[in-house]
Amino acid sequence: DAGVIQSPRHEVTEMGQEVTLRCKPISGHNSLFWYRQTMMRGLELLIYFNNNVPIDDSGMPEDRFSAKMPNASFSTLKIQPSEPRDSAVYFCASSGQGAPTGELFFGEGSRLTVL
Amino acid sequence: GDSVTQMEGPVTLSEEAFLTINCTYTATGYPSLFWYVQYPGEGLQLLLKATKADDKGSNKGFEATYRKETTSFHLEKGSVQVSDSAVYFCALYSIYNQGGKLIFGQGTELSVKP
Repeated sequence: DAGVIQSPRHEVTEMGQEVTLRCKPISGHNSLFWYRQTMMRGLELLIYFNNNVPIDDSGMPEDRFSAKMPNASFSTLKIQPSEPRDSAVYFCASSGQGAPTGELFFGEGSRLTVL
Repeated sequence: GDSVTQMEGPVTLSEEAFLTINCTYTATGYPSLFWYVQYPGEGLQLLLKATKADDKGSNKGFEATYRKETTSFHLEKGSVQVSDSAVYFCALYSIYNQGGKLIFGQGTELSVKP
């Protein structure tokens, strides 16, 4: 079975540019999470969706960040405009209804470098 | 609020050594506890879990016991291998935490030398 699929795996961009990260959760999973990982701050939950609805976006650092989940099989995380401090690895994870809560399946991450 | 504290890394061991990574937590109610592992260049993977007090989670030779009296969930392995080199994250889930969120510790990097 396919796992969580993220794209792009690597993105290098210049400050001020728009960045869009994409995620396809595991089929049948109804919860989707976006995390950011940096050396300084560790793993931070940015936002999570349940049944395509944003439940908690308190971790979104500022208005430059936005996330959408238009359907059960696709989500995007957008940064506009990007800044060097946004450089990090962004992970998408999903979990399934009926599965013990707390069991997340992570994608391989999108490594973002903002110059 | 709920929180997880892990021992700081990096931890460096020789192959076949005994491993302990300490994890303690603060939570309302009765959380579920997890260990996730992140191999270099990859996402996190669930390693093991325990959902109630005195439960023991185990997988791939790793074990951890849910100790409510000491609010701990220490990870142990009797004999580590080079392939166990990774970052290990302790985590808790509680429905009382803002409607249900998985809270991670800061991670402990393990390096196993041949």
